[in-house]
Amino acid sequence: DSGVTQTPKHLITATGQRVTLRCSPRSGDLSVYWYQQSLDQGLQFLIQYYNGEERAKGNILERFSAQQFPDLHSELNLSSLELGDSALYFCASGPRPGDEAFFGQGTRLTVV
Amino acid sequence: GQNIDQPTEMTATEGAIVQINCTYQTSGFNGLFWYQQHAGEAPTFLSYNVLDGLEEKGRFSSFLSRSKGYSYLLLKELQMKDSASYLCAVNEDSNYQLIWGAGTKLIIKP
Repeated sequence: DSGVTQTPKHLITATGQRVTLRCSPRSGDLSVYWYQQSLDQGLQFLIQYYNGEERAKGNILERFSAQQFPDLHSELNLSSLELGDSALYFCASGPRPGDEAFFGQGTRLTVV
Repeated sequence: GQNIDQPTEMTATEGAIVQINCTYQTSGFNGLFWYQQHAGEAPTFLSYNVLDGLEEKGRFSSFLSRSKGYSYLLLKELQMKDSASYLCAVNEDSNYQLIWGAGTKLIIKP
């Protein structure tokens, strides 16, 4: 158990819908990262937060947004969902940007 | 630009030794990580190199050459449970973002 909690574990939704994925980082970690991993693909970095502020942005679509709250938990919002958005979404946390990242078990999103 | 290269897939025999290479081109460098990921599971941390040389941790060792932009992960006494993807990631210190390779899928055969 990495100490990073992601909910829900599985999510099935229809195209055009909106979903929110939640992440609770390890106690004491200030950095939160979101990644997308499509079937048999590598990790694609989406976005990073540090102590509530956006720190770095990767290949995140405009339909996607995220935020980190004062209690350091983070949410990833995916809207106008398309079939191609089906993937594993991982959240990771670390003490500081660039430190070893600890991954949650992921949310498997299926868009039908 | 940023680029990390790893072989897509490798096959090895149980009990043998395998070396997984990673080459990188980044605008900065502040350390290199190796992670193991079993199918459908979360990546887990294996090793971290920031200085040149070899870091040994049990059956796994990782090597770094900063001048060559090169690292390898060495797995000894391979076990069937070592079948997984191995991900190389570089901490590019300009914005502290981890740049990830696509991963090497390692298949272990009896």
